[in-house]
Amino acid sequence: EPEVTQTPSHQVTQMGQEVILRCVPISNHLYFYWYRQILGQKVEFLVSFYNNEISEKSEIFDDQFSVERPDGSNFTLKIRSTKLEDSAMYFCASSERQKNTEAFFGQGTRLTVV
Amino acid sequence: AQTVTQSQPEMSVQEAETVTLSCTYDTSESDYYLFWYKQPPSRQMILVIRQEAYKQQNATENRFSVNFQKAAKSFSLKISDSQLGDAAMYFCAYRSAGHTSGTYKYIFGTGTRLKVLA
Repeated sequence: EPEVTQTPSHQVTQMGQEVILRCVPISNHLYFYWYRQILGQKVEFLVSFYNNEISEKSEIFDDQFSVERPDGSNFTLKIRSTKLEDSAMYFCASSERQKNTEAFFGQGTRLTVV
Repeated sequence: AQTVTQSQPEMSVQEAETVTLSCTYDTSESDYYLFWYKQPPSRQMILVIRQEAYKQQNATENRFSVNFQKAAKSFSLKISDSQLGDAAMYFCAYRSAGHTSGTYKYIFGTGTRLKVLA
């Protein structure tokens, strides 16, 4: 069964460093998303991406964040200068269409900023 | 703005028994989707069941079923014949159909931790 794949599963980084979280969406999906879950809290929407541009973003998704689809398969989330409060589980999701379909989530990347 | 509320931070159920997890939501839209996701200790998000708001019939998936009350904006999950593997965090989620809001993001509740007792 097709699945969304995220790498790495766990990333530890020093405060102020840049990190790139990677996702391989399901191959025929066109819509991509990043969500974040701070430990013990609910899952929060960060950004959605379609046709090589951001279609929607939340207030969390500030200038420190960026997304990119560098090739036909990967979808990345970059945090330019990590802060302690960026420590969270980051989920990538993809969907075939926007309407009438659900998004499939990856297994998540646990980001720890020290 | 849409909101999702899960008022039960934690629930326990005896193995083989039935448990119901509550979820309420608030929206002014008439067309939307509702989901229950399971998050085991591995923290992966696994879709359990989905419900389209335009469907009156409650969705079922094997031992999992929902009680969707559109007028009351309630969407509870019933797990029958609970198994040890059902122990996890369960999140209720709302997603607009996008006709009026133009948004397709998921809005999650705070989750209910389900413990299954042997």
